[in-house]
Amino acid sequence: GQQLNQSPQSMFIQEGEDVSMNCTSSSIFNTWLWYKQDPGEGPVLLIALYKAGELTSNGRLTAQFGITRKDSFLNISASIPSDVGIYFCAGQGQGGGADGLTFGKGTHLIIQP
Amino acid sequence: GAVVSQHPSWVICKSGTSVKIECRSLDFQATTMFWYRQFPKQSLMLMATSNEGSKATYEQGVEKDKFLINHASLTLSTLTVTSAHPEDSSFYICSPQGGAPNYGYTFGSGTRLTVV
Repeated sequence: GQQLNQSPQSMFIQEGEDVSMNCTSSSIFNTWLWYKQDPGEGPVLLIALYKAGELTSNGRLTAQFGITRKDSFLNISASIPSDVGIYFCAGQGQGGGADGLTFGKGTHLIIQP
Repeated sequence: GAVVSQHPSWVICKSGTSVKIECRSLDFQATTMFWYRQFPKQSLMLMATSNEGSKATYEQGVEKDKFLINHASLTLSTLTVTSAHPEDSSFYICSPQGGAPNYGYTFGSGTRLTVV
């Protein structure tokens, strides 16, 4: 089946630093998504990307849908304490709404004061 | 928009008993419901997909007789874990699909199931 490789697995950064994480896939996705999950809660959608090459921002977050449709990155600028959590990339295949999502293994972001 | 309600948020049950988890889309009609499972420190894995009024389709390795899914209306789907065992302990999360494009990407708040 489809697999997403997400890196890094964890990041220890200082408050105010920028963060970058990425996902790659062995197969093409039509939609790339980035989520944040806090302990004991469901994932919350941060950014959805629908077109190859698309670059989208949501506040301090920026994500891009790779040209090959097999990769995506998420950047967080000027990190703040509430950014702590686990970030997941997810892809949806060519079946569109009929397809569930394939998730990466997550990037655990830890911010040191 | 895209408000999803999932209940209960946590449940503890004895081995051999059944547990029902409800997922409601409060402000849109969910033609499709996705159910995911997340084991501790792992990612979300798709378990099954159901369309309103139809039988669910299950991912490889997911027992359809153990995880019963009912999607009888456009706003409610239930997942019943039957004859639960400790290895079924996990975080179960629903994701209704329908309406505007982003409405397919919202998740419920999850249900923490612990089987003792």
